[in-house]
Amino acid sequence: GAGVSQSPSNKVTEKGKDVELRCDPISGHTALYWYRQSLGQGLEFLIYFQGNSAPDKSGLPSDRFSAERTGGSVSTLTIQRTQQEDSAVYLCASTHQFFGPGTRLTVL
Amino acid sequence: SQELEQSPQSLIVQEGKNLTINCTSSKTLYGLYWYKQKYGEGLIFLMMLQKGGEEKSHEKITAKLDEKKQQSSLHITASQPSHAGIYLCGAPRGEYGNKLVFGAGTILRVKS
Repeated sequence: GAGVSQSPSNKVTEKGKDVELRCDPISGHTALYWYRQSLGQGLEFLIYFQGNSAPDKSGLPSDRFSAERTGGSVSTLTIQRTQQEDSAVYLCASTHQFFGPGTRLTVL
Repeated sequence: SQELEQSPQSLIVQEGKNLTINCTSSKTLYGLYWYKQKYGEGLIFLMMLQKGGEEKSHEKITAKLDEKKQQSSLHITASQPSHAGIYLCGAPRGEYGNKLVFGAGTILRVKS
């Protein structure tokens, strides 16, 4: 596609449920990043994929967070047993740090 | 304190006025990204500066990188209501500069 797309745009879930957020990077872009933007913490790096290399997971806040990138394209960020502090906007970016519109996650 | 400090935190300017936003790093800068964000939306890429002394312009927005001062400035000439939003600077970090750390952002309001 023309730009980075993310789905859903909004997600409301109950505490303790699992959620999956999807990112579709710009076609042909080999790098993919996940960031989180929250009121208290600002914009934080979560995880980085580059081609077939092992991902850089250094920014994941806990083992409840995981991400996959299948076929070197689409990525899914999974948050298990969501907590209220997970409420944030989750942003995806591809090569050259072009960002998608984000997914706003609200955990009730 | 944050690794990237932006100043001011917020500002309100009259339409047509010029303004400058600064981004100062506590560590060596190997490049600097500027983004604009509207509330509830994603980040719009404005420009990337790679080398010390580099200056780039897009429409009425100019950004400079001063490596020695570990600082970048974003200057808007003749501001318009469409310039309103949150401006964020991001610096490459990590072994290969493969992730960005961000400043807290500068909120800009432009009064008509």
